[in-house]
Order: sequence, then structure tokens, then C-alpha cells
Amino acid sequence: GAVVSQHPSWVICKSGTSVKIECRSLDFQATTMFWYRQFPKQSLMLMATSNEGSKATYEQGVEKDKFLINHASLTLSTLTVTSAHPEDSSFYICSVPGTSPDTQYFGPGTRLTVL
Amino acid sequence: GQQLNQSPQSMFIQEGEDVSMNCTSSSIFNTWLWYKQDPGEGPVLLIALYKAGELTSNGRLTAQFGITRKDSFLNISASIPSDVGIYFCAGNFGNEKLTFGTGTRLTIIP
Repeated sequence: GAVVSQHPSWVICKSGTSVKIECRSLDFQATTMFWYRQFPKQSLMLMATSNEGSKATYEQGVEKDKFLINHASLTLSTLTVTSAHPEDSSFYICSVPGTSPDTQYFGPGTRLTVL
Repeated sequence: GQQLNQSPQSMFIQEGEDVSMNCTSSSIFNTWLWYKQDPGEGPVLLIALYKAGELTSNGRLTAQFGITRKDSFLNISASIPSDVGIYFCAGNFGNEKLTFGTGTRLTIIP
């Protein structure tokens, strides 16, 4: 399966600041990547689909102006949490499509804590 | 968004026991996937199922795509300590997006 990395693995920031999270596909060129959010003891919820060279598509209820996604190359997608607040504290995980149909391979996740 | 219901929510078993868990949906899925997530990590793909009735194994893990296409089952035989974690089912309608289940937390009692 695809190898996916995320950076940073964890970040602590002050309320009101912006945080950028990187997702890299190390061995696969991905025209599409996915961003998920997972709150403690909950399931993964899809936030948005990142599309290389075009705008991301956001799931219902996800603020596109707050969660900025850029997919500038076939191996890198970034998620920027703007004006972060404590309720944005969560585990953010990206994924890329796998070689087998309908599968996705996930990165190790980034834990964001907003003070 | 829609979630799939997994049962049981948590399991406490002894090493060596067999484990069964299932996932149900009100919608029909084209693909069922099973993932395992360790604490602080991203989910790891275990098994992918593509046809109703399909039974697929991966080592001690066996999963089945339900006949109605609205459910799936995962069995783990002879559990070992490294099986501890959270197991998620995920379904796909054929539009690239995955819908995840609520998860089953597996704990092995010493």
C-alpha cells in the first residue's frame, strides 16, 4: 500500500493562531487526498477531499474558510487551521487512495492542541 | 455525516480467544473495508471486500461482505496481545469517499 507521512506529528498553539499540517505521499502520486478529523474516542469524520491543481471539496458543515486546503503537487497536500480555537483541538489524519479499488492508506496523524 | 454502527462497542477478552465483531448500515455499500487503529496512529488497512457474500482472510483475520450488502463481519482467531486496538469498518458507495463505523475497542485481559 501507499506510504503516507504527516508533519508535524503534534502541535500546540495559542488560540487565534494558524497551524499548517502537511501530508505527503512518499511512493505514490496522488491527484486526490483526503483529510479526516477524529475527536477522542470517536470515529474518523471526513472533512474534505483535496484535489491536485483545483479547489478542495468540503463535507457538509466544514468551514472552508477556516480549514484551508492546498494540493499544489501530486505528493503534497496541506491543511491550514486558521484562527484556531480550543474546539479545533483534535487528531487530524490524511489519506491517499490505494492501488486496490476504493481503498485508502492513512498517514500517522497530527494531534493539534489549541490552548 | 452518516456513520456505520459497529457492535460490540468494546470487548474484553483473554489471550487466545476468538473475536467476532460486525458492522451494519441502512445503506448498501459497494465495498467494505476493515481497519485497525493503534493509539495515536492512523488506521491501517486489514481487509478489503468487494462482492456480496465474499469471505476474505488475512492471517488470523477473516472478514465477510454481507449478502444484503448492508453489513460486514470481522473475526480474529486465537487473539494475541498485538491485536489490542480499535477496529473500524468503512464502507464505500463507489465515489472514492469512505464512511467509517463507530469502532470496536479490543482489550486483552492478562
